[in-house]
Amino acid sequence: EVQLVESGGGLVQPGGSLRLSCAASGFTFSSYEMNWVRQAPGKGLEWVSYISSSGSTIYYADSVKGRFTISRDNAKNSLYLQMNSLRAEDTAVYYCARQQDTGIAAAGQDYWGQGTLVTVSS
Amino acid sequence: DIQMTQSPSSLSASVGDRVTITCRASQSISSYLNWYQQKPGKAPKLLIYAASSLQSGVPSRFSGSGSGTDFTLTISSLQPEDFATYYCQQSYSTTITFGQGTRLEIK
Repeated sequence: EVQLVESGGGLVQPGGSLRLSCAASGFTFSSYEMNWVRQAPGKGLEWVSYISSSGSTIYYADSVKGRFTISRDNAKNSLYLQMNSLRAEDTAVYYCARQQDTGIAAAGQDYWGQGTLVTVSS
Repeated sequence: DIQMTQSPSSLSASVGDRVTITCRASQSISSYLNWYQQKPGKAPKLLIYAASSLQSGVPSRFSGSGSGTDFTLTISSLQPEDFATYYCQQSYSTTITFGQGTRLEIK
């Protein structure tokens, strides 16, 4: 069974840092591209970042570029999101999501974690 | 960034109704369009990918169509478990964007 379990969320002051983790199991993690997607309270979905299976290709949303860093450790079956210079508008539930591998490029995210809440407030 | 606009933003319907949700892209995205369902407090669920391909395990009452800039998600006969929020997502660009969501409520 595919499982994605996020951790590391919590309350942080504006300007602070937080590192999110996503533990993957039930599939060959090293073969899959991964994403982080967030959802502010009562709001819609916002894609945050993408990383290729090897980690060699990375993309960010403009809203987090220069502040957030995505990474992965395929030996540990783990995905990470280092978040620096946090702002109130970064408050959200953060989901890790697996990129579907169907042979069709960009075929959506087929498995999602349960999410971890990040609250940026003084 | 490519902007995705869904309509309507909310919709009231009854069990058994046929429902259509529209998604428009600010530029052509070919068929790089996915649809998700999200229920309160839960993670999104992929329903349709590549505009019209039904995700494994998703009931056949869900269907998607369109290409270029205009896309639709159709639910042929609403079931009680379908009342949720639906999002379109473009994956044409390296920076993915979602529509603002369509909340489907029980009439």
